[in-house]
Amino acid sequence: GAVVSQHPSRVICKSGTSVKIECRSLDFQATTMFWYRQFPKQSLMLMATSNEGSKATYEQGVEKDKFLINHASLTLSTLTVTSAHPEDSSFYICSARDVRGQNTGELFFGEGSRLTVL
Amino acid sequence: RKEVEQDPGPFNVPEGATVAFNCTYSNSASQSFFWYRQDCRKEPKLLMSVYSSGNEDGRFTAQLNRASQYISLLIRDSKLSDSATYLCVVNMPIGNTPLVFGKGTRLSVIA
Repeated sequence: GAVVSQHPSRVICKSGTSVKIECRSLDFQATTMFWYRQFPKQSLMLMATSNEGSKATYEQGVEKDKFLINHASLTLSTLTVTSAHPEDSSFYICSARDVRGQNTGELFFGEGSRLTVL
Repeated sequence: RKEVEQDPGPFNVPEGATVAFNCTYSNSASQSFFWYRQDCRKEPKLLMSVYSSGNEDGRFTAQLNRASQYISLLIRDSKLSDSATYLCVVNMPIGNTPLVFGKGTRLSVIA
Protein backbone atom coordinates (compact mmCIF):
# COMPACT_ATOMS: atom_id res chain seq x y z
CA GLY A 1 0.00 0.00 0.00
CA ALA A 2 0.90 3.64 -0.21
CA VAL A 3 3.50 4.84 2.25
CA VAL A 4 4.15 8.28 3.58
CA SER A 5 7.38 8.90 5.39
CA GLN A 6 7.91 11.76 7.81
CA HIS A 7 11.16 12.97 9.31
CA PRO A 8 12.29 13.64 11.98
CA SER A 9 10.13 11.58 14.29
CA ARG A 10 11.21 13.53 17.31
CA VAL A 11 12.91 16.86 17.76
CA ILE A 12 13.79 18.93 20.79
CA CYS A 13 14.86 22.49 20.25
CA LYS A 14 15.41 25.73 22.07
CA SER A 15 12.90 28.51 21.97
CA GLY A 16 13.47 30.84 19.06
CA THR A 17 14.95 28.30 16.69
CA SER A 18 13.34 26.99 13.50
CA VAL A 19 12.51 23.37 12.83
CA LYS A 20 11.88 21.73 9.48
CA ILE A 21 9.75 18.62 9.10
CA GLU A 22 9.74 16.63 5.87
CA CYS A 23 6.93 14.56 4.46
CA ARG A 24 7.51 12.23 1.53
CA SER A 25 5.21 10.00 -0.40
CA LEU A 26 7.32 6.95 -1.17
CA ASP A 27 5.41 5.03 -3.80
CA PHE A 28 2.91 7.47 -5.20
CA GLN A 29 2.64 11.06 -6.29
CA ALA A 30 0.73 13.52 -4.16
CA THR A 31 -0.34 16.86 -5.58
CA THR A 32 -1.86 17.64 -2.22
CA MET A 33 -0.62 16.92 1.26
CA PHE A 34 -2.26 17.85 4.51
CA TRP A 35 -0.55 18.96 7.69
CA TYR A 36 -2.26 18.22 10.98
CA ARG A 37 -1.34 19.06 14.55
CA GLN A 38 -2.42 17.16 17.61
CA PHE A 39 -2.08 18.36 21.18
CA PRO A 40 -2.30 15.84 24.04
CA LYS A 41 -5.74 14.30 24.38
CA GLN A 42 -7.04 16.41 21.52
CA SER A 43 -8.16 15.52 18.03
CA LEU A 44 -6.13 16.04 14.92
CA MET A 45 -6.58 19.59 13.73
CA LEU A 46 -5.89 20.52 10.15
CA MET A 47 -3.29 23.25 9.90
CA ALA A 48 -2.88 23.65 6.18
CA THR A 49 -3.24 22.06 2.80
CA SER A 50 -0.01 21.87 0.85
CA ASN A 51 -0.37 22.14 -2.92
CA GLU A 52 2.41 21.14 -5.28
CA GLY A 53 3.64 24.12 -7.25
CA SER A 54 1.45 26.68 -5.53
CA LYS A 55 0.88 28.34 -2.18
CA ALA A 56 -0.43 26.40 0.74
CA THR A 57 -3.91 27.01 2.06
CA TYR A 58 -3.96 27.70 5.78
CA GLU A 59 -6.79 27.08 8.18
CA GLN A 60 -8.18 29.92 10.21
CA GLY A 61 -5.98 30.78 13.14
CA VAL A 62 -2.83 29.22 11.70
CA GLU A 63 -0.11 31.78 11.02
CA LYS A 64 1.31 31.27 7.55
CA ASP A 65 4.46 33.22 8.38
CA LYS A 66 5.13 31.00 11.36
CA PHE A 67 4.37 27.68 9.73
CA LEU A 68 6.06 27.78 6.35
CA ILE A 69 5.00 25.11 3.91
CA ASN A 70 6.82 24.22 0.73
CA HIS A 71 5.61 21.58 -1.71
CA ALA A 72 8.28 21.65 -4.35
CA SER A 73 7.67 18.26 -5.90
CA LEU A 74 4.98 15.62 -6.19
CA THR A 75 6.60 13.57 -3.48
CA LEU A 76 7.83 16.08 -0.92
CA SER A 77 6.23 18.68 1.32
CA THR A 78 8.02 20.45 4.15
CA LEU A 79 6.71 22.26 7.19
CA THR A 80 9.02 24.73 8.91
CA VAL A 81 8.10 25.99 12.33
CA THR A 82 9.86 29.33 12.55
CA SER A 83 10.94 30.90 15.83
CA ALA A 84 9.45 28.02 17.76
CA HIS A 85 8.08 28.61 21.23
CA PRO A 86 7.00 26.16 23.95
CA GLU A 87 3.35 26.50 22.93
CA ASP A 88 4.29 25.09 19.52
CA SER A 89 5.22 21.81 21.19
CA SER A 90 2.91 19.26 19.64
CA PHE A 91 2.60 16.21 17.43
CA TYR A 92 2.71 17.20 13.77
CA ILE A 93 1.43 14.71 11.22
CA CYS A 94 1.39 14.92 7.47
CA SER A 95 -0.88 12.98 5.20
CA ALA A 96 -1.47 12.49 1.51
CA ARG A 97 -3.69 10.80 -1.01
CA ASP A 98 -2.54 8.96 -4.07
CA VAL A 99 -3.21 11.28 -7.01
CA ARG A 100 -4.97 8.47 -8.82
CA GLY A 101 -7.40 7.99 -5.95
CA GLN A 102 -8.62 11.43 -5.07
CA ASN A 103 -12.13 10.21 -4.50
CA THR A 104 -11.39 7.15 -2.42
CA GLY A 105 -11.13 9.18 0.73
CA GLU A 106 -8.41 7.28 2.49
CA LEU A 107 -5.52 9.34 3.68
CA PHE A 108 -2.10 7.85 4.28
CA PHE A 109 -0.32 9.30 7.26
CA GLY A 110 3.30 9.88 8.03
CA GLU A 111 4.63 8.55 11.30
CA GLY A 112 4.35 11.98 12.88
CA SER A 113 6.91 14.35 14.34
CA ARG A 114 6.88 15.13 18.01
CA LEU A 115 8.22 18.62 18.62
CA THR A 116 9.30 19.76 22.05
CA VAL A 117 10.37 23.38 22.40
CA LEU A 118 12.26 24.16 25.57
CA ARG B 1 -22.08 22.36 16.52
CA LYS B 2 -18.82 20.55 15.85
CA GLU B 3 -18.44 18.84 12.49
CA VAL B 4 -17.76 15.42 13.95
CA GLU B 5 -18.67 14.53 17.52
CA GLN B 6 -17.77 11.48 19.52
CA ASP B 7 -18.07 10.39 23.11
CA PRO B 8 -14.48 10.75 24.36
CA GLY B 9 -14.81 7.90 26.83
CA PRO B 10 -12.79 6.29 28.22
CA PHE B 11 -14.51 2.97 27.77
CA ASN B 12 -13.00 0.41 30.12
CA VAL B 13 -14.18 -3.08 29.24
CA PRO B 14 -13.06 -6.61 30.12
CA GLU B 15 -11.59 -8.93 27.55
CA GLY B 16 -14.27 -10.63 25.50
CA ALA B 17 -16.79 -7.85 25.94
CA THR B 18 -18.69 -6.18 23.14
CA VAL B 19 -18.38 -2.42 22.92
CA ALA B 20 -19.99 0.14 20.65
CA PHE B 21 -18.89 3.65 19.74
CA ASN B 22 -21.09 6.31 18.25
CA CYS B 23 -20.36 9.35 16.17
CA THR B 24 -22.45 12.13 14.66
CA TYR B 25 -21.56 14.49 11.84
CA SER B 26 -23.03 17.84 10.96
CA ASN B 27 -22.63 18.11 7.19
CA SER B 28 -25.43 16.20 5.53
CA ALA B 29 -23.56 16.31 2.22
CA SER B 30 -20.65 14.26 3.56
CA GLN B 31 -19.80 11.42 1.26
CA SER B 32 -17.29 9.13 2.87
CA PHE B 33 -16.90 7.85 6.39
CA PHE B 34 -14.16 6.00 8.15
CA TRP B 35 -13.00 4.67 11.45
CA TYR B 36 -9.33 5.19 12.18
CA ARG B 37 -7.40 3.76 15.06
CA GLN B 38 -4.70 5.72 16.85
CA ASP B 39 -2.34 4.21 19.37
CA CYS B 40 -0.67 6.42 21.92
CA ARG B 41 1.92 8.72 20.35
CA LYS B 42 1.43 7.15 16.94
CA GLU B 43 -0.14 8.25 13.69
CA PRO B 44 -3.75 7.28 12.89
CA LYS B 45 -4.26 4.17 10.81
CA LEU B 46 -7.32 3.24 8.82
CA LEU B 47 -9.39 0.61 10.58
CA MET B 48 -12.25 0.42 8.13
CA SER B 49 -14.40 2.43 5.78
CA VAL B 50 -18.09 2.75 6.55
CA TYR B 51 -20.54 1.89 3.81
CA SER B 52 -24.20 2.78 3.58
CA SER B 53 -25.27 -0.83 3.83
CA GLY B 54 -23.08 -1.46 6.83
CA ASN B 55 -19.99 -3.58 6.71
CA GLU B 56 -18.13 -6.07 8.79
CA ASP B 57 -14.47 -6.94 9.08
CA GLY B 58 -13.85 -9.79 11.48
CA ARG B 59 -14.82 -8.62 14.94
CA PHE B 60 -15.54 -5.09 13.76
CA THR B 61 -18.86 -3.90 12.37
CA ALA B 62 -19.50 -0.39 11.07
CA GLN B 63 -22.91 1.14 10.46
CA LEU B 64 -24.00 4.35 8.80
CA ASN B 65 -27.33 6.09 9.21
CA ARG B 66 -27.46 9.00 6.77
CA ALA B 67 -30.88 10.17 7.90
CA SER B 68 -29.64 10.63 11.44
CA GLN B 69 -26.09 11.54 10.37
CA TYR B 70 -24.79 8.88 12.67
CA ILE B 71 -21.99 6.34 12.43
CA SER B 72 -21.22 3.47 14.75
CA LEU B 73 -18.48 0.97 15.36
CA LEU B 74 -19.07 -2.31 17.15
CA ILE B 75 -16.22 -4.41 18.45
CA ARG B 76 -17.02 -7.96 19.49
CA ASP B 77 -14.89 -10.23 21.67
CA SER B 78 -12.58 -7.39 22.69
CA LYS B 79 -8.88 -8.13 22.87
CA LEU B 80 -6.23 -6.39 24.93
CA SER B 81 -4.70 -5.27 21.65
CA ASP B 82 -7.86 -3.36 20.80
CA SER B 83 -6.94 -0.76 23.42
CA ALA B 84 -6.50 2.47 21.49
CA THR B 85 -8.31 5.63 20.52
CA TYR B 86 -10.88 5.24 17.77
CA LEU B 87 -11.39 8.21 15.51
CA CYS B 88 -14.55 8.84 13.56
CA VAL B 89 -13.59 10.50 10.29
CA VAL B 90 -15.69 12.17 7.63
CA ASN B 91 -14.81 13.24 4.10
CA MET B 92 -16.38 16.38 2.72
CA PRO B 93 -17.87 15.94 -0.72
CA ILE B 94 -16.06 18.42 -2.88
CA GLY B 95 -12.67 17.95 -4.48
CA ASN B 96 -9.50 16.76 -2.84
CA THR B 97 -10.43 17.91 0.62
CA PRO B 98 -8.90 16.82 3.89
CA LEU B 99 -10.62 14.50 6.26
CA VAL B 100 -12.37 15.86 9.32
CA PHE B 101 -11.60 14.01 12.51
CA GLY B 102 -13.59 13.55 15.66
CA LYS B 103 -11.72 13.85 18.94
CA GLY B 104 -11.72 10.11 19.30
CA THR B 105 -13.03 7.60 21.80
CA ARG B 106 -10.53 6.01 24.12
CA LEU B 107 -10.92 2.25 24.66
CA SER B 108 -9.12 0.28 27.33
CA VAL B 109 -9.58 -3.47 27.31
CA ILE B 110 -8.73 -4.95 30.66
CA ALA B 111 -7.57 -8.50 31.37
